[in-house]
Amino acid sequence: DQQVKQNSPSLSVQEGRISILNCDYTNSMFDYFLWYKKYPAEGPTFLISISSIKDKNEDGRFTVFLNKSAKHLSLHIVPSQPGDSAVYFCAATAPGSGTYKYIFGTGTRLKVLA
Amino acid sequence: NAGVTQTPKFRILKIGQSMTLQCTQDMNHNYMYWYRQDPGMGLKLIYYSVGAGITDKGEVPNGYNVSRSTTEDFPLRLELAAPSQTSVYFCAAQRERGTDTQYFGPGTRLTVL
Repeated sequence: DQQVKQNSPSLSVQEGRISILNCDYTNSMFDYFLWYKKYPAEGPTFLISISSIKDKNEDGRFTVFLNKSAKHLSLHIVPSQPGDSAVYFCAATAPGSGTYKYIFGTGTRLKVLA
Repeated sequence: NAGVTQTPKFRILKIGQSMTLQCTQDMNHNYMYWYRQDPGMGLKLIYYSVGAGITDKGEVPNGYNVSRSTTEDFPLRLELAAPSQTSVYFCAAQRERGTDTQYFGPGTRLTVL
């Protein structure tokens, strides 16, 4: 049972345009969400997070939106740069209910075309 | 400050062989994790530790063992390697559980033939 789903395995975007990566979850107990970025032959690195008490969190070019009623979050990258080409994983956890493990999605490979 | 380091980077094993994947962190973080990532899949939790001497199973613990004798080290042991254990293994460390970030090592790519 995949509790965190990233239904788009890949996405290509022109440099300078917006990249939108999507993530859906099924467990309503999740109350903290994260995005990680992974380059080939490296470990995942933390990008941005959002708590369920918010619906938006912004950090420079990266914004995460959370729609709790739809159990959906998205990562917006504006403007996209070639260095953003990587695999992006969303993850969810439920610290508010005592569950601290991360559940990861399957990842979306973003390619930003110069 | 190296963060989380893993050795080796690559390894090929024959079926039935055993090996230990090493993980060391220099951040003095209490919580450590082992994940595996199969092609096209997300990261699956194998084992985790909440501090020296305390370990527990994750989603996919079968075929693996761990120990945590120090805060810094969290080795993962494969006793009888099987082709199903071909994967990329990541170790992570986290200062406190909850909303603290997990920091990942660079990974070990293991192939079992």
